[in-house]
Amino acid sequence: DAGVTQSPTHLIKTRGQQVTLRCSPKSGHDTVSWYQQALGQGPQFIFQYYEEEERQRGNFPDRFSGHQFPNYSSELNVNALLLGDSALYLCASSLRQGGETQYFGPGTRLLVL
Amino acid sequence: AQSVTQLDSHVSVSEGTPVLLRCNYSSSYSPSLFWYVQHPNKGLQLLLKYTSAATLVKGINGFEAEFKKSETSFHLTKPSAHMSDAAEYFCVAQNTGGFKTIFGAGTRLFVKA
Repeated sequence: DAGVTQSPTHLIKTRGQQVTLRCSPKSGHDTVSWYQQALGQGPQFIFQYYEEEERQRGNFPDRFSGHQFPNYSSELNVNALLLGDSALYLCASSLRQGGETQYFGPGTRLLVL
Repeated sequence: AQSVTQLDSHVSVSEGTPVLLRCNYSSSYSPSLFWYVQHPNKGLQLLLKYTSAATLVKGINGFEAEFKKSETSFHLTKPSAHMSDAAEYFCVAQNTGGFKTIFGAGTRLFVKA
């Protein structure tokens, strides 16, 4: 049983560019959440997707957007990248009706130069 | 408002001695509480979860945590530390349905030989 997978593992961009990160949830899971983990800090909740809609959002600007596909996989898009967007981006999946336990992927490390 | 406070940013113990990582939470309702561990360059791994059943929760690798509502605490313990326990530990609170997740800032555990 494959766990949560994310791609790419590492990414380097320059300021002003746009980036798309991808996540495939654990088999059987229907809910995907995204987190940003800056160096030396705990993960910060960005948003959560369920039934292809954004259900909850943390304190992140509109530059951060997402999408969930019918197969439950998800994308995180960040526009107009800033140096401060450099971080580890984590995807977590869960089963909506089965409790709240989230299973995390290995993350995508984004460096903005 | 919901918040999670990990009282120690760093904890250092000798191998074979007990581990105590402290976590307090603040919430207007009874959240689900979790402890996750993050080893360097690896994803977040669930250690244990509390969801209003037994107040003493046993997790993997010999860890356990006790939920104390009167103290709003959810401290993580282990009777005997192992070198492989050295990692970053996160206390996490989540509202019903998993709509929003709050991570503590993390506690770095060092284990000395």
